[in-house]
Amino acid sequence: AQTVTQSQPEMSVQEAETVTLSCTYDTSESDYYLFWYKQPPSRQMILVIRQEAYKQQNATENRFSVNFQKAAKSFSLKISDSQLGDAAMYFCAYLGNTPLVFGKGTRLSVIA
Amino acid sequence: DAMVIQNPRYQVTQFGKPVTLSCSQTLNHNVMYWYQQKSSQAPKLLFHYYDKDFNNEADTPDNFQSRRPNTSFCFLDIRSPGLGDTAMYLCAISGPSPPDTQYFGPGTRLTVL
Repeated sequence: AQTVTQSQPEMSVQEAETVTLSCTYDTSESDYYLFWYKQPPSRQMILVIRQEAYKQQNATENRFSVNFQKAAKSFSLKISDSQLGDAAMYFCAYLGNTPLVFGKGTRLSVIA
Repeated sequence: DAMVIQNPRYQVTQFGKPVTLSCSQTLNHNVMYWYQQKSSQAPKLLFHYYDKDFNNEADTPDNFQSRRPNTSFCFLDIRSPGLGDTAMYLCAISGPSPPDTQYFGPGTRLTVL
């Protein structure tokens, strides 16, 4: 079965600085999708970024970018110019031939 | 505009008293999901519909049922809630483009007393 591991339960970053959240996964599938979701205190799950495994180019959405290393099964999220509104729980998720599999999440605090 | 709408946003019920949570979508996407998320945990898939085809996860308690009367609406029925069912319930949709990406509603926070 596919598993997703987020090894950092909590992280903090100074406002305007850059932070990287790590995610690794285990799979034997060759075709799959990876996601980062943000869950602020409101508990709404918000899609941050999406990566297709067959694309070598790393996905980017404004201040958010990923470092996708398929051979290493690694999918880290970089947040540049961190803002107070970035404070949230971040979930890494894998989608292959089975339903969406979530990691346990990383709680990000942003310090003013 | 919200794509996924959940009602109510907050629900308090008594132990054993049936409760129904609703989810509606404005995009007519063909797949709808129900997740349970307990405090400080990742969401856990309960079941999903692909059009009218119902797919139940193996470890979803029998106490949890679902109905999808049409493309736009999906309901989660908890027949006899227990204290352990206190959680956030998230509805999500995915559709044709991109077919793989799930979009979530704001959730219903259920408290069982």
